[in-house]
Amino acid sequence: AQKVTQAQTEISVVEKEDVTLDCVYETRDTTYYLFWYKQPPSGELVFLIRRNSFDEQNEISGRYSWNFQKSTSSFNFTITASQVVDSAVYFCALAGANNLFFGTGTRLTVIP
Amino acid sequence: EAGVAQSPRYKIIEKRQSVAFWCNPISGHATLYWYQQILGQGPKLLIQFQNNGVVDDSQLPKDRFSAERLKGVDSTLKIQPAKLEDSAVYLCASSLGRRLALFTDTQYFGPGTRLTVL
Repeated sequence: AQKVTQAQTEISVVEKEDVTLDCVYETRDTTYYLFWYKQPPSGELVFLIRRNSFDEQNEISGRYSWNFQKSTSSFNFTITASQVVDSAVYFCALAGANNLFFGTGTRLTVIP
Repeated sequence: EAGVAQSPRYKIIEKRQSVAFWCNPISGHATLYWYQQILGQGPKLLIQFQNNGVVDDSQLPKDRFSAERLKGVDSTLKIQPAKLEDSAVYLCASSLGRRLALFTDTQYFGPGTRLTVL
């Protein structure tokens, strides 16, 4: 069975602090993809990153970075120097052969 | 490039009434998805189309939900009759839909339709 766990329901940080959002997944597929999406108050899910199971290189995009570790089945997301505009619900998702499973999301609030 | 369009953005109906949602995917995207997102949860796939054919509707409550994508572009999702537990945001997404990578393609989402059933 496939499953995505985002144990942090809500996180609050003060602006300019770094914050890491955790994502742990379960799958029996050898080939799979992991995603992060951002859902601001407007409701639209915004694609952030897609990573396949064979590529464990960490990725950095501006203030965002992702740490993929197959050994611990984790795909964590770090925002450096957080800003108020980063306030949103962030979803981790796992895609296998037959479906795309979303976690329950982590609500991030960045306090000015 | 225009994103995924959905309408209406909000809808309030009484239980047992009918409602329909419309989605226009990104131009050139062959695959279209409808998701249901209940408050506080992640999106759950209802149905997936590849062009105008249904690929997966295993989680669609077919006694009350129906969806179509007649010309392989726009799609409509209908609920008839609505129940209180159908209150949710209905998200439409599209992807390029390369034949062997239907779920691993990046999906691009519309703004959603927030449905409230009273």
